[in-house]
Amino acid sequence: AQSVTQPDIHITVSEGASLELRCNYSYGATPYLFWYVQSPGQGLQLLLKYFSGDTLVQGIKGFEAEFKRSQSSFNLRKPSVHWSDAAEYFCAVGPPPSGGSYIPTFGRGTSLIVHP
Amino acid sequence: NAGVTQTPKFRILKIGQSMTLQCAQDMNHNYMYWYRQDPGMGLKLIYYSVGAGITDKGEVPNGYNVSRSTTEDFPLRLELAAPSQTSVYFCASSYSVGVYNEQFFGPGTRLTVL
Repeated sequence: AQSVTQPDIHITVSEGASLELRCNYSYGATPYLFWYVQSPGQGLQLLLKYFSGDTLVQGIKGFEAEFKRSQSSFNLRKPSVHWSDAAEYFCAVGPPPSGGSYIPTFGRGTSLIVHP
Repeated sequence: NAGVTQTPKFRILKIGQSMTLQCAQDMNHNYMYWYRQDPGMGLKLIYYSVGAGITDKGEVPNGYNVSRSTTEDFPLRLELAAPSQTSVYFCASSYSVGVYNEQFFGPGTRLTVL
């Protein structure tokens, strides 16, 4: 069965500092990988996704993520954090659809706190 | 496109009451999902549907029911509300295959059972 681990419950950074949020997955093959962001009181919004090809993926709002097969990781990064990036971030993994049902698995989320 | 819409945004129920959370999408997505989100617990899948007339249980289905009579609508029914069902509920939808299977989420319904 697929699973996702986000080891950090909370991350605190200063505005302008760099950011890396960790995500590790467990799956028997190359999965589909996603990062979503949830601003306070809002639903989840897709930041970026990886299916195949270039292992460095660019997303919206200046975020990027790198797929590392050897480490089963898909960490999210941003070179300079803005106060508006304060939110909950979710990593998700899903099997490539092969005629069966597509049900992604979400991590528990990492809460990002940005200090001025 | 309105995307995924949910109503109501907030609701307070008494123990034992019933209600239906509405969810609709206008993107012609085959797949629809209901999640609940509790603090620090991430998203838990309640039910999902792969198309009109087809539904299946997720991780935490007890106390809930769903139906999918049309592609657009996927209501979630709580029959006998319990305090343990206090949560934020999210509806989502996606295409079924290919690279389009990212999920689109509604804004959520915050439910309190007292």
